[in-house]
Amino acid sequence: KNEVEQSPQNLTAQEGEFITINCSYSVGISALHWLQQHPGGGIVSLFMLSSGKKKHGRLIATINIQEKHSSLHITASHPRDSAVYICAVRTSGSRLTFGEGTQLTVNP
Amino acid sequence: DADVTQTPRNRITKTGKRIMLECSQTKGHDRMYWYRQDPGLGLRLIYYSFDVKDINKGEISDGYSVSRQAQAKFSLSLESAIPNQTALYFCATSDPRTGANVLTFGAGSRLTVL
Repeated sequence: KNEVEQSPQNLTAQEGEFITINCSYSVGISALHWLQQHPGGGIVSLFMLSSGKKKHGRLIATINIQEKHSSLHITASHPRDSAVYICAVRTSGSRLTFGEGTQLTVNP
Repeated sequence: DADVTQTPRNRITKTGKRIMLECSQTKGHDRMYWYRQDPGLGLRLIYYSFDVKDINKGEISDGYSVSRQAQAKFSLSLESAIPNQTALYFCATSDPRTGANVLTFGAGSRLTVL
């Protein structure tokens, strides 16, 4: 079993829909990161969380440390949100373990 | 110019050839990393460096070597490329002094070994 599991693996939505991507992990962590990988391959960091909730524009990330679970929400989704969303957890020694990613496609 | 620049962006080579992927950064970050991405797998760490004189193996260092020539430059070498090293390679940097220790990634280098 991977230390970091994301669900779903693939997600197709219609423009305007509310989207949730989930990340569960099995190890103790110091922080959790959400990343976005564009169709061209480039990766950008969206959020780093150690507790609670963060919001940036239409993106909201939450984490529940006790349940070892994080969610990334996208409100009013748009085709330009189509990308792979990657969850990564930072364990002791600053090591990052990455999930396999969730491929999101938002249709107009 | 990008904060983290990788060259080449695409490379096709043959089994047994020596390949170097180069990474340079203008972030002023001390920490640099090389990751590999394969379809259906998460990013995996090959090597990392926290300073010019510091080199550390990651999860999958076999078949790879690195050189940290300066704070801004971190090169990845495949001494004798093999087909299962076909992958997308990412260089990244981070600065733990910011508290967030967020990674900044290069655009990726797609390597195909025939």
